[in-house]
Amino acid sequence: DVKVTQSSRYLVKRTGEKVFLECVQDMDHENMFWYRQDPGLGLRLIYFSYDVKMKEKGDIPEGYSVSREKKERFSLILESASTNQTSMYLCASSRGGRANEKLFFGSGTQLSVL
Amino acid sequence: QKEVEQNSGPLSVPEGAIASLNCTYSDRGSQSFFWYRQYSGKSPELIMFIYSNGDKEDGRFTAQLNKASQYVSLLIRDSQPSDSATYLCAVNVEYGNKLVFGAGTILRVKS
Repeated sequence: DVKVTQSSRYLVKRTGEKVFLECVQDMDHENMFWYRQDPGLGLRLIYFSYDVKMKEKGDIPEGYSVSREKKERFSLILESASTNQTSMYLCASSRGGRANEKLFFGSGTQLSVL
Repeated sequence: QKEVEQNSGPLSVPEGAIASLNCTYSDRGSQSFFWYRQYSGKSPELIMFIYSNGDKEDGRFTAQLNKASQYVSLLIRDSQPSDSATYLCAVNVEYGNKLVFGAGTILRVKS
């Protein structure tokens, strides 16, 4: 089974802090994604990556950056956390090609910015 | 208009009944359609996908796609309390080759 591991289940940070969310997958998937999930808004794509050292902006990239130095690891960075970034963050991965839509999700990180 | 729309619910059905969940999408070029189930406090998991017009059955689940009308539905037969969850519709939009999710429909199956 694919395993997508997110480093923290719950995280509390202060406004202005730099925040790192880590995600590791163990199935050699090419594609990795970061979503945030908010009530009534569903999942919104922040950034994604189809290869090492490659990144593409999703629908809501403002205030975020990402890093993919190794194939299995995809990090989401909040440069200066703000209260409106309080949310559930979900990492996902998938194989390449058409199968890239079959996403496998991590367990999520509930981030609270105070 | 949202790219993928779902009725937020909750949709309540008695145990053993058929639950019908619907989703409409705006991008006529979309080719791939997915249903994810998300239990409370958990992450989404893929339960069905469909690429062609018509029906696709997998156990108690049937996905239905009508590209002309731009809707996709999920039928759950013999609904069980364990089916109570939020069901997310996801559509691969032609531009950007990415998945767009609906906000989800809450399903409650009452025993």
